[in-house]
Amino acid sequence: DAGVTQSPTHLIKTRGQQVTLRCSPKSGHDTVSWYQQALGQGPQFIFQYYEEEERQRGNFPDRFSGHQFPNYSSELNVNALLLGDSALYLCASSLDPGGGWDTEAFFGQGTRLTVV
Amino acid sequence: ELKVEQNPLFLSMQEGKNYTIYCNYSTTSDRLYWYRQDPGKSLESLFVLLSNGAVKQEGRLMASLDTKARLSTLHITAAVHDLSATYFCAVGYYGNKLVFGAGTILRVKS
Repeated sequence: DAGVTQSPTHLIKTRGQQVTLRCSPKSGHDTVSWYQQALGQGPQFIFQYYEEEERQRGNFPDRFSGHQFPNYSSELNVNALLLGDSALYLCASSLDPGGGWDTEAFFGQGTRLTVV
Repeated sequence: ELKVEQNPLFLSMQEGKNYTIYCNYSTTSDRLYWYRQDPGKSLESLFVLLSNGAVKQEGRLMASLDTKARLSTLHITAAVHDLSATYFCAVGYYGNKLVFGAGTILRVKS
C-alpha cells in the first residue's frame, strides 16, 4: 500500500497564475481533505470531498476549489494566486465514518507551493 | 467554532529532563491526535486518543486525554536530541475534519 501520495512535491508559480495539486488517497479510503499550512503555523482545513462532492469547507475564498474523481483521487485548484498562498498543502485521506464522529486521517507528504 | 490552544509554543529542553505540552480545546470531542513534523516534512502520526482517560505511550512520549477538562497532554521523559521537532495536537471534529493547534517547537540542548 503506497499510502497517500501527492504531486507535485514542489511548485513555483507567479502571482495571478492558476495551480492544480493532486492527491491519491490510501487504498480503501473514500474521503479526501485538504489543508493549508503556512510557514510557522498549524494546518488549516480548506475543504473535504466525499462521493465526488464538497462536503465541508473551511474559511477559504472561492479561488480555492476542488474535485474528486470516481477513483476517490482529488485535485485542489487555486486561481489568481497571491503571495500569501505560498504554503505547504497537505492532503489527508480517511474512511467516511458513516454518521459517526470521525475516523483516523492519513496525510500525504505535501506539496510545497511558492508564489513569486 | 472549535478552537485548539497549545502551550508552550516553544520549548527549549535540556537532555535528560522531563517536560509537558498542553493542548486545550473549546468544544466537545472524543478524538484527539498528536503529530510530529520535522522541518519541510509532512505530519507523522504519534498518538490517537479516542476516549476519556485514554493514555498511550511510545518510547519517551506519553499522551493522555481528559475529555471533561477538554485537555490533552504530551509528556516527554528524559528528553533526547532526536525529539527535536514541531508537535501538533489536533481535535477530531464531526465528519473527519481536524482542527489543529498552532504547534509546539521542541529543541533539545545537549
